[in-house]
Amino acid sequence: QVQLVESGGGVVQPGRSLRLSCAASGFTFSDYALHWVRQAPGKGLEWVAVVWYDGVNKYYTDSVKGRFTISRDNSKNTLYLQMDRLRSEDTAVYFCATGGFAHFDYWGQGSLVSVSS
Amino acid sequence: EIVMTQSPATLSVSPGERATLSCRASQSIKSDLAWYQQKPGQAPRLLMFGASTRATGTPDRFSGGGSGTEFTLTISSLQSEDFAVYYCQQYNKWPPWTFGQGTKVEIK
Repeated sequence: QVQLVESGGGVVQPGRSLRLSCAASGFTFSDYALHWVRQAPGKGLEWVAVVWYDGVNKYYTDSVKGRFTISRDNSKNTLYLQMDRLRSEDTAVYFCATGGFAHFDYWGQGSLVSVSS
Repeated sequence: EIVMTQSPATLSVSPGERATLSCRASQSIKSDLAWYQQKPGQAPRLLMFGASTRATGTPDRFSGGGSGTEFTLTISSLQSEDFAVYYCQQYNKWPPWTFGQGTKVEIK
């Protein structure tokens, strides 16, 4: 069965960096685009970034462009999100999700990132 | 960017009753719409895609309809496990993929 397991979240000060990981299993990792979606406390879902199956094409929501970098290692079945220059408004649970370029079929359990001084 | 608007924000329904949730897109998205269910402390779960196709494991008391800019999710007879927050999401024009703000279905 498909499993996505996020890790790397925690408490970080504004302006600092954090890297999230998402370990995948149960499907052919290199065949699928992968996404990060976040949810601020008590709020709705916000798409953050996507990386194509081959790791070449990447897109970001406007609020994280230039600060976040999505990447993947198909040899390790792992997705990453490097988050630099973090702001308080980046505080959220970050989910990795897959399913291609349409709907998100599978989600991880989420990793909480809290940006606070 | 396509803006998705859900209504109502909260829907109070008694178990066994019917619930109808609405989702509107700011421009036509054909049938490129998905619905998700999220319970407290859990990840979202895909319920429907293509506006009206049930995902694997979605009970047939859930039905989706609509096309263009107006969509609905209907739960024919609410069960205790259906009380949750529901989100719509468009995938017609991306990036970005966009979600509605959610509808909370609560026990009346």
